[in-house]
Amino acid sequence: DIQMTQSPSSLSASVGDRITITCRANQSITSSLNWYQQGPGKAPRLLIYAASSLQSGVPSRFSGSGSGSDFTLTISSLQSEDSGTFFCQQTYSTPHTFGQGTRLEIK
Amino acid sequence: QVQLVQSGAEVKKPGASVKVSCKASGYTFSNYDINWVRQAPGQGLEWMGWMNPNSGNTGYAQKFQGSVTMTMNTSVTTAYMQLNSLTSDDTAVYYCARGQHYSSIYYYYYMDVWGKGTTVTVSS
Repeated sequence: DIQMTQSPSSLSASVGDRITITCRANQSITSSLNWYQQGPGKAPRLLIYAASSLQSGVPSRFSGSGSGSDFTLTISSLQSEDSGTFFCQQTYSTPHTFGQGTRLEIK
Repeated sequence: QVQLVQSGAEVKKPGASVKVSCKASGYTFSNYDINWVRQAPGQGLEWMGWMNPNSGNTGYAQKFQGSVTMTMNTSVTTAYMQLNSLTSDDTAVYYCARGQHYSSIYYYYYMDVWGKGTTVTVSS
């Protein structure tokens, strides 16, 4: 199975800040990397697919980059509604494994 | 609108089975995979497998081989996930999610529509 490792595990930032979350695979996954956001008690929501494509309806402050084994999710200007947990997922090969998650707190 | 509506919460005893349903609406059911993902309390997301309603093909994570069965009834646009021989470790929220794919240089796959989740509690 491909192992996905996210960092940091948690972070706290203020409204307007720029934040970056990193996801690393233990082998190359080309650009088969997706990002999801999950609010407390809610289902995950797709933000970014294929490493850098913004899902329809997702604000443009979210962006993704990377290829191979190293990927980043950036939020350019944090808003209060961005709190939650962010997960990366590889879909290069099955099982489609997730990272362990990054919990984002808005100060 | 496109949505997946899941069945209600379940409480089961160890050793029992559970069958969760996921009714799709707002799109052509046979054109998209249905994936199942679970989340134990306070934990991350765990992909269980997928099913293609058009072909009937399924793919399960090795961890769930032999204990999970994914089926569908296309006449009512509903997918089902049955998990057998439940233990307390199976206590989790179970999500269904629509699988979307496209090909350019590479093949890309992602889950763009999610159900709200079904809580399964396994307790004696």
